[in-house]
Amino acid sequence: DARVTQTPRDKVTEMGQEVTMRCQPILGHNTVFWYRQTMMQGLELLAYFRNRAPLDDSGMPKDRFSAEMPDATLATLKIQPSEPRDSAVYFCASGLEGEKYNEQFFGPGTRLTVL
Amino acid sequence: GENVEQHPSTLSVQEGDSAVIKCTYSDSASNYFPWYKQELGKRPQLIIDIRSNVGEKKDQRIAVTLNKTAKHFSLHITETQPEDSAVYFCAARSSGGSNYKLTFGKGTLLTVNP
Repeated sequence: DARVTQTPRDKVTEMGQEVTMRCQPILGHNTVFWYRQTMMQGLELLAYFRNRAPLDDSGMPKDRFSAEMPDATLATLKIQPSEPRDSAVYFCASGLEGEKYNEQFFGPGTRLTVL
Repeated sequence: GENVEQHPSTLSVQEGDSAVIKCTYSDSASNYFPWYKQELGKRPQLIIDIRSNVGEKKDQRIAVTLNKTAKHFSLHITETQPEDSAVYFCAARSSGGSNYKLTFGKGTLLTVNP
C-alpha cells in the first residue's frame, strides 16, 4: 500500500531558526502539493509541482518560504527565518495528474511549532 | 481564482440520523469535486468524488449531489455512526488550462453522538 511519507512528524523550534520539511511522494506520481492547515484558514495551497517543475506558488510567502524538488522522490519546504505565525500542520500530497486521474494522496503531515 | 464556501462549520447528530454538508463554488469552469475526511490527528483521505457530467453519485452510506447551474454540491451521510465523526472537506478543481489544483472549503466538524 503505497503512501506519501513526510519527515519530521513533529518539529518545535525557536523563532528565527530555519526549518526544513521533507516529503517523499508515491512512486510514479507526477504532481506534488504542499498545504498548510490551521484552524482559522483550513487547508491552504502553498506550492504545486508537476514533473518537478514549480507550477504555482502564489499561496506561499516568498520572503521566507521556498519549495523545491531536487529529484522525483523528494520534495522540500523550507522556512527561513521561522516565525510563531508559521505554527501549523504542513501536508504534502501527491497525485498522477490528468483528466482521468484525480485523487490527491496526503502524507501524515509535519506539525510545526515555532516558539 | 476559485472560491469554495462550506457550511455548516460544525454539525452534531445522533447516531442513525442523516448528515448533510453543503458547498458552493465560484468558478463555472470547475469540473471535479472531491470530498475528504480527516480524523483527529490524521491525514485527509478521499471518501467520494463527482465530476461535472454527473448529478449524483452514491457509495454505500455516502452520496454526493451536484447542481452545476447553482454551483453547489452536497455530501449526504445516512445512518451515521460514531466512526463517521471527523472533519469533512469539500474541494473544487478548475479545468482551466493545465491547472489541476484543488481549492478546499474550510471544513465541517461532524460529531455523531452515540
